[in-house]
Amino acid sequence: DAMVIQNPRYQVTQFGKPVTLSCSQTLNHNVMYWYQQKSSQAPKLLFHYYDKDFNNEADTPDNFQSRRPNTSFCFLDIRSPGLGDAAMYLCATSRDLGVGGETQYFGPGTRLLVL
Amino acid sequence: GQQLNQSPQSMFIQEGEDVSMNCTSSSIFNTWLWYKQDPGEGPVLLIALYKAGELTSNGRLTAQFGITRKDSFLNISASIPSDVGIYFCAGQVQAGTALIFGKGTTLSVSS
Repeated sequence: DAMVIQNPRYQVTQFGKPVTLSCSQTLNHNVMYWYQQKSSQAPKLLFHYYDKDFNNEADTPDNFQSRRPNTSFCFLDIRSPGLGDAAMYLCATSRDLGVGGETQYFGPGTRLLVL
Repeated sequence: GQQLNQSPQSMFIQEGEDVSMNCTSSSIFNTWLWYKQDPGEGPVLLIALYKAGELTSNGRLTAQFGITRKDSFLNISASIPSDVGIYFCAGQVQAGTALIFGKGTTLSVSS
């Protein structure tokens, strides 16, 4: 089945130690998104790629970076994780940026714990 | 940032009851999406709405895109225990802009 895959599902890192989360998709969608979701809150968009074009949300900290080497894969790099970065990180994809309506499909998420 | 007003925040119901939740916005949306999220999992798309007035069903779920384009509701009929979870509405103001999420409705179903 076509889907959005996130690895790992759980990641433990140390304060200040760089960590990379990965996302892959078999939907062949143009757009890939990264969200941060903290407990009992709605997902918060960090950035998205439309094909190779990177779009950062204004309030996304510089500590968060992303790479999209090809259509299928997208990575979230947290350069120096702080305790406040502990959260669920969600990857999502959509076919396009809203022509005729945009539907985003989410992966299962990676829960990050910072010690 | 901009948010949707989603209500109720939580619901406690008996198995078999019908459920209704809604989202309202001060902005006109061109897309409304409804998601369900189980603990430790990503949101799963339930229903997508693209036209004002559109009424769409998915099994026991029915959602409508409000005529004013500023609101949407989700109904669940004959609830069952596996309906437990957090339901999020999400809307998009225009093409190319970020999805805006409601704060979620937590549904509890007792059997």
